[in-house]
Amino acid sequence: QSALTQPASVSGSPGQSIAISCTGTSSDVGTHDHVSWYQHHPDQAPKLMIYNVDKRPSGVSSRFSGSKSGYTASLTISGLQAEDEADYYCSSFTSSSTTIFGGGTRLTVL
Amino acid sequence: QVQVVESGGGVVQPGTSLRLSCAASGFSFTSHGFHWVRQAPGKGLEWVATIWYDGSRQYYADSVKGRFTISRDDSKNVIYLQMNSLRAEDTTIYYCARDISHSALDLWGQGTLVSVSS
Repeated sequence: QSALTQPASVSGSPGQSIAISCTGTSSDVGTHDHVSWYQHHPDQAPKLMIYNVDKRPSGVSSRFSGSKSGYTASLTISGLQAEDEADYYCSSFTSSSTTIFGGGTRLTVL
Repeated sequence: QVQVVESGGGVVQPGTSLRLSCAASGFSFTSHGFHWVRQAPGKGLEWVATIWYDGSRQYYADSVKGRFTISRDDSKNVIYLQMNSLRAEDTTIYYCARDISHSALDLWGQGTLVSVSS
């Protein structure tokens, strides 16, 4: 099973908004509203930022939001801050009850 | 303290076995399914295996199916990953993570490093 498709990199200046896309298939993103997003800083454990497409876990900033349309989910970060610079991964539950991750997107805050 | 802590990683030769452990504490263990996720150096996250909250179902990535087995001991609050017939491409950091809703992983350990080399 191939990974979900994410852009390799995105960048933005402090205060700006950026969006990261995550494209899947009818077996995952297109059918299931169980898309999650993770923030991963080097040498740290990944952190859940969004789950079930648009739900934020307790403690996650409201600057992070999620959405989905068809086979593509998106993570939007508004009011970019230096500490947002990290790798971001999407994942989805699949019709086989497995989990699939995206290839990851490196966010650079200029 | 709410946490999961992995252990059991190390350096092994190709074709051998290793068992990873994930000790959970601070929450209701039997209310959650768990996953193993790995990340090779310079690569992205790769899902490895899932076990349901009641242990009734297990699921595996194609890359490890037939070689790896995920299990749980509810009396000890521990998740295991038995890895057999290890290959060089299994060299990576292995993370244990708690599931809160259909593959949403909200609690991760710091990972344990497995290196498969002759």
